[in-house]
This record gives sequence, structure tokens and C-alpha cells, in this order.
Amino acid sequence: GENVEQHPSTLSVQEGDSAVIKCTYSDSASNYFPWYKQELGKRPQLIIDIRSNVGEKKDQRIAVTLNKTAKHFSLHITETQPEDSAVYFCAASTGGSYIPTFGRGTSLIVHP
Amino acid sequence: GAVVSQHPSWVICKSGTSVKIECRSLDFQATTMFWYRQFPKQSLMLMATSNEGSKATYEQGVEKDKFLINHASLTLSTLTVTSAHPEDSSFYICSAPPPRQSNEQFFGPGTRLTVL
Repeated sequence: GENVEQHPSTLSVQEGDSAVIKCTYSDSASNYFPWYKQELGKRPQLIIDIRSNVGEKKDQRIAVTLNKTAKHFSLHITETQPEDSAVYFCAASTGGSYIPTFGRGTSLIVHP
Repeated sequence: GAVVSQHPSWVICKSGTSVKIECRSLDFQATTMFWYRQFPKQSLMLMATSNEGSKATYEQGVEKDKFLINHASLTLSTLTVTSAHPEDSSFYICSAPPPRQSNEQFFGPGTRLTVL
């Protein structure tokens, strides 16, 4: 089955800095890669996703890049703010499957 | 967007009792729902896939006799933790795919279970 590795497990940045979280996956059939933000005690919230036919996608301060050849994808957050502090999960799933395999999560701490 | 609700949002019970958690799709029908368990500071782990009108599919290592799943209708799935023990204390989250063709999932708000 699919295996998703996520790094780092913890990321501490100063407000205004950029944050990058990286994930790798193992199943070349995976073609949908969502990123979720989860605040303590809350449900995961989809913040951005990318499909395998696209190399990069951007939404305001958040961007995701995908390298299918290397089987890795990354989340980039620019101009970080304290409210960006949360746990971020990457995931991968295959076409026709609604079941994503999640990475272990990255705890992002943005210091004011 | 599609809305998924869960009830209760939290529950505290004594060891040995059973707890039922409900997951509802509020504005769409879901023939399939998923149940996840999340321990503190860990990722979401898929426990089982709930199928309307048929038996649930359990992931390896999940005891189907302990975690009973019933998909009673196209908008309701229930997870019953039977004979709960402290090690079952966790955050349980359900999700459902939206009605349109998409990989995206919509998560319920989660249920915090604490077994004393």
C-alpha cells in the first residue's frame, strides 16, 4: 500500500518568515495530494490540494509543488502569521479512491 | 460545501461500558463513510470503511467485534466502542466523500472519548 513520509515533525519560525513542509510517497498510482491544517481538538481542514497533472498550485500565501518523478510534494507558507500555528498533514490517494494515506504531521509554531 | 456532523463531541465513560458515536452527512447522501482514530500528537489512522447496506471493511489490526459499525441509512453511520478500556481513549473522526466526483473528503468535527 501507499506510504507517506512527512518532514519535519516540528517547525518553529518567526512571524513573517516562510515555512516549508515536505512529503514523499511510494505509490506511483497516487494522483491526488491534499494538505490539511488541524488545530487542537478540531477536525482537519483542507487548505490546498494538487493533482498529478499539475506541478504547482498557489492560493494567496499557500503554495504546493509536486514532483511526480521524484514522488515528493511540498507545502510552502509565506509571510507566516501566529494563526498559522497548527498541525499540518499531507496525504496521498489514488484515482477513484477517497481514502487518503496521511503523513505523520508537522507541528508548525509561528512566534510573534 | 458538504457538511458532516458527529455526536457527541466528547464523552467520558467508565471502563467496561459501551459508547456509540454517530456520524451524519447533513446535506448529501453518503453510501460510504470512513472512521479514523487519532491519538494525541499522532496522525489520523483509518479504522474502517462503513458501507450503506453491507458490512464494514476493517483495516488490519482493528477488532471488528470491539468497534461495531452500522451504516443504517444513506446519511448515518455509527461506531460503537464496546467494553471500552482506557487505551481506547482517543479522538474519533468520521469522514465522507462529497456527492460529486472528487477525491476530497469532508471530515466530521470529531468525538473525544475518555475512558476512566
